[in-house]
Formats: sequence, structure tokens, C-alpha cells
Amino acid sequence: AQTVTQSQPEMSVQEAETVTLSCTYDTSESDYYLFWYKQPPSRQMILVIRQEAYKQQNATENRFSVNFQKAAKSFSLKISDSQLGDAAMYFCAYRSDDNDMRFGAGTRLTVKP
Amino acid sequence: NAGVTQTPKFRILKIGQSMTLQCTQDMNHNYMYWYRQDPGMGLKLIYYSVGAGITDKGEVPNGYNVSRSTTEDFPLRLELAAPSQTSVYFCASRMTGRYGYTFGSGTRLTVV
Repeated sequence: AQTVTQSQPEMSVQEAETVTLSCTYDTSESDYYLFWYKQPPSRQMILVIRQEAYKQQNATENRFSVNFQKAAKSFSLKISDSQLGDAAMYFCAYRSDDNDMRFGAGTRLTVKP
Repeated sequence: NAGVTQTPKFRILKIGQSMTLQCTQDMNHNYMYWYRQDPGMGLKLIYYSVGAGITDKGEVPNGYNVSRSTTEDFPLRLELAAPSQTSVYFCASRMTGRYGYTFGSGTRLTVV
């Protein structure tokens, strides 16, 4: 069974600094998709960034980028120029083909002014 | 374009009561899902559907039932509510292919 592990229950970053959230996953599939979701206090789940496993190039969305290491089964999220509005729970998620999505336990990010 | 709409947003149930959580999407997505999120935890799959008339169990289906009579609607039924079902429930949908999920805003359910 596919599992997703986020080893950092909590992280903090100073405003305008950079922070990296870690995620590892376990799978025997070769084709799959990886996601980072943000959940602010409003509890809405917001898609931050998506990576397709067959693509070697790391995905980037404005201040958010990933470091995808397929051989190591690692998928970290880097947030640059952190803003107060980035404070939230961040969930790493995995999905293969037409199967359901598996989520990590989450990392709570605090941004200090 | 409303996306995924869940109702109600909050509900308090007494032990043994039943209720239905409603979920509707207007994006013509084939796939729909119900997840629960316990405090400080990730999301666990309760049930899912790959299309109208087709449903299947996820990781934690006990105590719940679903139906999918139309593409748009995917209600979750709780029978004989128990305190262990106190949680936040999310409905989600997606298109076939490489896409992520679109989530509803969640239902916070408390069983007392």
C-alpha cells in the first residue's frame, strides 16, 4: 500500500525567509502524481502545487517550488519569501493512475513577523 | 461555478442519531470522494465513487453509507452516530487523469 510520510509535525519561519517542508512516500508504481495542499484555519483544502512523476523538471508556482527526487521517493516543498498568509497546515499527497489520493499527517507552518 | 458544495457546515448529533451529509459538484467530475479528518491528522478515505451508480469502500468505511444516483451528488449517510465519528468531513471530486482534487469546505460534526 502506498504511504506518505511527513516527518515534521511543526515548522516555523521568519517572514521573508525560505522554508522547506519534507515529504517521503512509498510506492511500487512508476507513474503517479504528487501534490501539496494548504489548509488554513478556514479548513479549506487548497491545491498549492502538483508534480507528475514522469516529468524530471521540478514544478514551480510563484513562490512555491518542489524538489522531486524520484529515486529517493522524496517530494519536498520550498516556500520562498514567506508571508504571514502562508501560515497553515500543509499536506503532502500521492495518487497513482485512477486510484484515490493518500495524504500525509501534515506539517503545521508558523510564520513569525 | 460553485465547485464542490457541502452542507451543512456544522452539526451536533446525539449518540444513536442518524444524518446525511450532502455533497454536490457542478464540474461534471466522474470521481467523488468522502474523507474524514480527525484533529491534528491527515485525511482518511471513507468511500469513493468512479461514476454514477458505482461506489466502493475506502480505508475507514464502518458506520457510513453512500450512494451515487447522479454524477453531481454523493451523499454520505451516518447511521447510529458514535462519538468516534466526531470529525471534519470533506467531500472532493476530480476529473479522469492527472488532476488533483477539488475539495468542499468541509462539515464539522460533533457527536455527543
